Amino acid sequence: DQQVKQNSPSLSVQEGRISILNCDYTNSMFDYFLWYKKYPAEGPTFLISISSIKDKNEDGRFTVFLNKSAKHLSLHIVPSQPGDSAVYFCAASAFGNQFYFGTGTSLTVIP
Amino acid sequence: DTGVSQDPRHKITKRGQNVTFRCDPISEHNRLYWYRQTLGQGPEFLTYFQNEAQLEKSRLLSDRFSAERPKGSFSTLEIQRTEQGDSAMYLCASSSRTDYGYTFGSGTRLTVV
Repeated sequence: DQQVKQNSPSLSVQEGRISILNCDYTNSMFDYFLWYKKYPAEGPTFLISISSIKDKNEDGRFTVFLNKSAKHLSLHIVPSQPGDSAVYFCAASAFGNQFYFGTGTSLTVIP
Repeated sequence: DTGVSQDPRHKITKRGQNVTFRCDPISEHNRLYWYRQTLGQGPEFLTYFQNEAQLEKSRLLSDRFSAERPKGSFSTLEIQRTEQGDSAMYLCASSSRTDYGYTFGSGTRLTVV
């Protein structure tokens, strides 16, 4: 049973525009959420996190929004750059032990 | 410290053989995790250590799989009698007690032929 879902397998965005990656979850006990970026032949790299006590966290060009009532989070990248092209995974955890990952969204930023 | 290190990067083995992978976490991290990732999927949790204690195991971890973390430092993941379905990327991650964000290694890609 997939507790974390990324329903868009791929996304293409023009350089300089906003990229919005979405993630839905089913477990209301999840209290911590992460976004990871993965390049081919590398392990996932931590990008940004948010705890359930917040609804927004910002780090430079990256902002994560959490809507607990909708069990939905999103990652906004603005402005998008070609180097942002990668697969993005969202992950969720209850009480900080194992994380459940979505299936990923492949982002392509077109120069 | 250069991060989480995994060895080997790639392993090709014949069905039925045993394989062992090694993970060296970030030295000050007391938590260590093993995940498995197959094509088109996100990483799936296998097992988790806090120091040398194995605290949680996924049902994905059949009795052919065993993980150890002697002395709470590096960890090994052994797969006995490999099957073609074991072909995947095996990822190791570590974190500190107060940091929920993992640092992943680059993974070991296993191909069972």
